[in-house]
Amino acid sequence: EAQVTQNPRYLITVTGKKLTVTCSQNMNHEYMSWYRQDPGLGLRQIYYSMNVEVTDKGDVPEGYKVSRKEKRNFPLILESPSPNQTSLYFCASSLSLTRDRYNEQFFGPGTRLTVL
Amino acid sequence: QQQVKQSPQSLIVQKGGISIINCAYENTAFDYFPWYQQFPGKGPALLIAIRPDVSEKKEGRFTISFNKSAKQFSLHIMDSQPGDSATYFCAASWGSGGGADGLTFGKGTHLIIQP
Repeated sequence: EAQVTQNPRYLITVTGKKLTVTCSQNMNHEYMSWYRQDPGLGLRQIYYSMNVEVTDKGDVPEGYKVSRKEKRNFPLILESPSPNQTSLYFCASSLSLTRDRYNEQFFGPGTRLTVL
Repeated sequence: QQQVKQSPQSLIVQKGGISIINCAYENTAFDYFPWYQQFPGKGPALLIAIRPDVSEKKEGRFTISFNKSAKQFSLHIMDSQPGDSATYFCAASWGSGGGADGLTFGKGTHLIIQP
C-alpha cells in the first residue's frame, strides 16, 4: 500500500530532551516536507526537501533540523524541544516539484507532540 | 509573505444543504489551487484541485469556483452529508518553475453537517 508513515504517533517529552520523529514513504517520491498544525493557524511548513541531500527552510524552521540521506526517509529532529513546539506534526511527500508542481501531496497520519 | 486567507473558520450546515468555503490569495503567480480534506485523527488528503485556465471544476458533489480577477476561489459542497464533516484547507502554489516552495495553506474551516 502506497503510504507515508510517521513514528511515533504520540509523544510526551520534557523541555530540552532531544527527539526525532521519523517519516518514511514507499512511493519513490522526490519531494518531502514537514508541517505543523496548530489551532487557528492551519498548516505551516517547517522544512522541505526537493531530493536526497537537498533541504531548505519553510515558514517556521526555528528549533528544528532535518536530514535527507535516503530518498524514502525524512526525519524531523528537535535538538532541544520547548513547550511552544507542542503541536501536531505532519510529514508529506509528492512525486516531484521540479518536473511538475501539480502533483498531489500525500500526508502521513500525524504525530502529536507534547513538550512539558 | 505569501498568504491564502480562508473563511469561515467554522461552519454548520444542515444535511442536504450547500456548504460554501471561501479563499482569497495575494500572489498572482499562484497557478494551482487544491482543496484538502482532513478527518479527525488523520492527515489531510487531496479532495479536488483547479488551475486558473478554467473557472469551475466539479467532481461529484464538490465544486471549485475560481475568479482570477478577484483572486478568489471557493469550495461548494452540494447536498452536504454528515460524512462530509471534516476540516477543509484551501491551498495554493505556483507551478511555473519559480522557487522551490510547496503549498501555502489557508488556516482551515471546521465543517459540521447536522443530521
